[in-house]
Amino acid sequence: RKEVEQDPGPFNVPEGATVAFNCTYSNSASQSFFWYRQDCRKEPKLLMSVYSSGNEDGRFTAQLNRASQYISLLIRDSKLSDSATYLCVVRVRGNQFYFGTGTSLTVIP
Amino acid sequence: NAGVMQNPRHLVRRRGQEARLRCSPMKGHSHVYWYRQLPEEGLKFMVYLQKENIIDESGMPKERFSAEFPKEGPSILRIQQVVRGDSAAYFCASLPGLNNEQFFGPGTRLTVL
Repeated sequence: RKEVEQDPGPFNVPEGATVAFNCTYSNSASQSFFWYRQDCRKEPKLLMSVYSSGNEDGRFTAQLNRASQYISLLIRDSKLSDSATYLCVVRVRGNQFYFGTGTSLTVIP
Repeated sequence: NAGVMQNPRHLVRRRGQEARLRCSPMKGHSHVYWYRQLPEEGLKFMVYLQKENIIDESGMPKERFSAEFPKEGPSILRIQQVVRGDSAAYFCASLPGLNNEQFFGPGTRLTVL
């Protein structure tokens, strides 16, 4: 079983739509959680960390459910510039990081 | 504070040659990770190093691949006798210590002819 699993998509949504991505992780000892964004042929960039109480950054909201071992990312009022691949990342003990394969989002005018 | 630097950005090698990829972490970062990304695929962990030490190389092929992070200078990922299947984007990431997020370099795109 993979450490981190994501729905690869693709998600094609109109501008202004709300879209949600989910990610599950297998290791109950996972300690830190992140969402990264990767544009085509570029490096991944940190979008936001995910905290136990959930956190929001503008149009982006991240949630963590430890009991069910999943993480979610909600994007409200989608912009064309949100088109990218979104990577779910989990840090287990020490400094072991596991990446999901990514969920592709295309926002359509 | 400059970000993570990688060079070269693009590297072309013929089968059987050696490829040397360099990664200079952000200032103050002593932890470096190397990842490989094949076209249309996710990031695959290769190796995790701290200064002068390999902490975890479980993702690195046993043959032809090696990595180092010397006390002075950048981290080096070395691929000997490259084959076409080594063509990929190689990203490095650094972080200052435990419980921090990773910062990625722009990657090196290796093409093996």
